[in-house]
Amino acid sequence: ETGVTQSPTHLIKTRGQQVTLRCSSQSGHNTVSWYQQALGQGPQFIFQYYREEENGRGNFPPRFSGLQFPNYSSELNVNALELDDSALYLCASSIGTSGSTDTQYFGPGTRLTVL
Amino acid sequence: AQTVTQSQPEMSVQEAETVTLSCTYDTSESDYYLFWYKQPPSRQMILVIRQEAYKQQNATENRFSVNFQKAAKSFSLKISDSQLGDAAMYFCAYRSARGGGSQGNLIFGKGTKLSVKP
Repeated sequence: ETGVTQSPTHLIKTRGQQVTLRCSSQSGHNTVSWYQQALGQGPQFIFQYYREEENGRGNFPPRFSGLQFPNYSSELNVNALELDDSALYLCASSIGTSGSTDTQYFGPGTRLTVL
Repeated sequence: AQTVTQSQPEMSVQEAETVTLSCTYDTSESDYYLFWYKQPPSRQMILVIRQEAYKQQNATENRFSVNFQKAAKSFSLKISDSQLGDAAMYFCAYRSARGGGSQGNLIFGKGTKLSVKP
């Protein structure tokens, strides 16, 4: 059984640029959630994708967007990067239905640094 | 809105001894799930243990057990026979049992950094 994978491991961007982070869900999982973890903090929920549609969003601006593909892998896109976007971005996959989400399993994260 | 509080930023334990990490939460819901996740320096968040609020019995996974006090909204993690590999950040998390999407996602505390002394 393949676990959750994320790419790239590290990324350095400058303010104003755009970035795409990628996540492959665990085998058999149809739901992907993205979290932002600032240094010294717990993760904060960004959004969730279920069957290729956004299925809930946290308190993040529209410049944070995403996609989910038919194989349930997912992308997180961030436009107009700001210094405060520097963080660890975590992807978690789970088995979901339209009404609930099972236990989430996390990938190793992508460390984004914005200069 | 639900909140999760971990009041111990750092804890230390001697190898082979027992340590308890504290977590309290606030919610008006009656049905929910609670989790402890471990995040070692490798950064990957690893599920340690899960508790369903409707179950009175405390969850146990090998050396890890919880003390779930629903009325007090308390959910502590006990690690027995501590090992060097237990050193990590530990996060307590809450998830509503109602629905998916933003309701069904995890709300984390700020974490407790556990050090294990040889």
